[in-house]
Amino acid sequence: NAGVTQTPKFQVLKTGQSMTLQCAQDMNHNSMYWYRQDPGMGLRLIYYSASEGTTDKGEVPNGYNVSRLNKREFSLRLESAAPSQTSVYFCASVQGSYEQYFGPGTRLTVT
Amino acid sequence: DQQVKQNSPSLSVQEGRISILNCDYTNSMFDYFLWYKKYPAEGPTFLISISSIKDKNEDGRFTVFLNKSAKHLSLHIVPSQPGDSAVYFCAASESTGNQFYFGTGTSLTVIP
Repeated sequence: NAGVTQTPKFQVLKTGQSMTLQCAQDMNHNSMYWYRQDPGMGLRLIYYSASEGTTDKGEVPNGYNVSRLNKREFSLRLESAAPSQTSVYFCASVQGSYEQYFGPGTRLTVT
Repeated sequence: DQQVKQNSPSLSVQEGRISILNCDYTNSMFDYFLWYKKYPAEGPTFLISISSIKDKNEDGRFTVFLNKSAKHLSLHIVPSQPGDSAVYFCAASESTGNQFYFGTGTSLTVIP
């Protein structure tokens, strides 16, 4: 039982490049989330998926797209990376209104 | 606008003493509150939660207190241990909703 896994762990992009962050959970949770963590800003919600087939914007969705591929997988795509997207990205999943389980994070640097 | 606030970015406590971490919220619809602990280079992990029908929840050395009228919750760690040194986030949600709102975190250092 791996919980929530994220790939890659680290990534460096040049401005304008695109990439997809992958997230998978094996706990059969309905809801999945993407957050970014920046110094002094806490965790800010980018997008979430309350159930398979649905996605909704969070607090900071601009510059990102998501896909809920199936119940297990929720990916985050940066179409044209900008330095402001340098951050640590966390994926999480939850069943109902209970505690979220987080992945180990992806550290992204955009130069 | 930040709906969940942790106004103390950092806190230092001697080993064996009590650590008190505070959190304030503005949305009266929040009815479920959680604390997470985060070590460097790891994802946050769940620590303890409380529903708005309670004013206290205890789990070993960790106790969360909720004051709904003041829209304030606190996490007490007694006794504090060096392994408790981490960043602590509080979070809030509406039980009928799907979103969780996080504070900015408090970095706790427990000095041996």
